Amino acid sequence: DAGVTQSPTHLIKTRGQHVTLRCSPISGHKSVSWYQQVLGQGPQFIFQYYEKEERGRGNFPDRFSARQFPNYSSELNVNALLLGDSALYLCASSLSILYGYTFGSGTRLTVV
Amino acid sequence: GIQVEQSPPDLILQEGANSTLRCNFSDSVNNLQWFHQNPWGQLINLFYIPSGTKQNGRLSATTVATERYSLLYISSSQTTDSGVYFCALRMDSSYKLIFGSGTRLLVRP
Repeated sequence: DAGVTQSPTHLIKTRGQHVTLRCSPISGHKSVSWYQQVLGQGPQFIFQYYEKEERGRGNFPDRFSARQFPNYSSELNVNALLLGDSALYLCASSLSILYGYTFGSGTRLTVV
Repeated sequence: GIQVEQSPPDLILQEGANSTLRCNFSDSVNNLQWFHQNPWGQLINLFYIPSGTKQNGRLSATTVATERYSLLYISSSQTTDSGVYFCALRMDSSYKLIFGSGTRLLVRP
């Protein structure tokens, strides 16, 4: 079985640009969450989607947005990139919010 | 909000040694997971253990929810065990996982 897949694996963007990160959950998983991990810290919660509805939002500016599609895949969008947005972006899926989470390998975003 | 503290922050072991990693938390939780983050950044789920004890090969974990702590045991450590170990919690009223600051483990050959 395929795990959680994220694309792209690495990305370099310039300040002010826009980026879209993609995530495909494990088959059958209806919940997708996004996390940001900066170097040396634990992951920080950005969004959770369940059954295509936003169920939670972390303390991130409005430049961050996300959505979940009918096939339960998800996109994370970040506008007006700042140097501080450089991080590893992790996607996690679960059967529902009551179950454990499985993480993808992440997208490493570098903003220059 | 809930506080999650992991100890020790750093740990160096000789291959073959045993170790215990600890996660203390400040509030009741209904989801606790231990993860291993390898040098490439992959977060690997080790245990889903909101309470009780589980074992998987050389690894085992115990969560005592009433006393608000969880322990991860690594026996006969190998160099491939190196990386950062995180505990992560979810409270009843929240959808998000809250991560501790991690224990950075280095196993030397």
